Amino acid sequence: GNSVTQMEGPVTLSEEAFLTINCTYTATGYPSLFWYVQYPGEGLQLLLKATKADDKGSNKGFEATYRKETTSFHLEKGSVQVSDSAVYFCALSGSGGSNYKLTFGKGTLLTVNP
Amino acid sequence: DAGITQSPRHKVTETGTPVTLRCHQTENHRYMYWYRQDPGHGLRLIHYSYGVKDTDKGEVSDGYSVSRSKTEDFLLTLESATSSQTSVYFCAISESLEDYGYTFGSGTRLTVV
Repeated sequence: GNSVTQMEGPVTLSEEAFLTINCTYTATGYPSLFWYVQYPGEGLQLLLKATKADDKGSNKGFEATYRKETTSFHLEKGSVQVSDSAVYFCALSGSGGSNYKLTFGKGTLLTVNP
Repeated sequence: DAGITQSPRHKVTETGTPVTLRCHQTENHRYMYWYRQDPGHGLRLIHYSYGVKDTDKGEVSDGYSVSRSKTEDFLLTLESATSSQTSVYFCAISESLEDYGYTFGSGTRLTVV
């Protein structure tokens, strides 16, 4: 079945540092890939997405590229801010028997210190 | 989030009592979902709906039931609450998974004492 593996963290960085959160997946067919962000006490929000191989999703300075050859969708940001502190979830859309739901990784807690 | 609201936002209830959580959407989306979020377990799907009166089980459906009598409302009921059901519950909606993924509600924090 479909699965998503992401680095569990926690990840702690200083402000203006470079961020990478790794995400790899296993899926049949051609899923869409997503990154969601969850700020403390809130629901998950869509951060960015990519719907086909080699697409790059971007939003708020974050980027991720859909790499089918390495089955990866790593999240990057060149210079993090304290306000980026949150939990980040990688997800993929289902296909075949799982085409009714998203499959999520377990989340990565990011803390950015001033 | 705009277009999807959950109620109540917080609830404390006693073991053995029934509890109903409500998810309301104004987006006219076909698909609705209930998840629970617990430390160490991430998000786990409880039940989902693919239309009015069309529902199915997720991976952790024991002890929960759902109903969807109209497009905009999806109710989650704990028939007899247990302490293991203390959690944060999220509702999500979707019209096209591949194109847009989910939109999540703000969550309901449920404590069973």
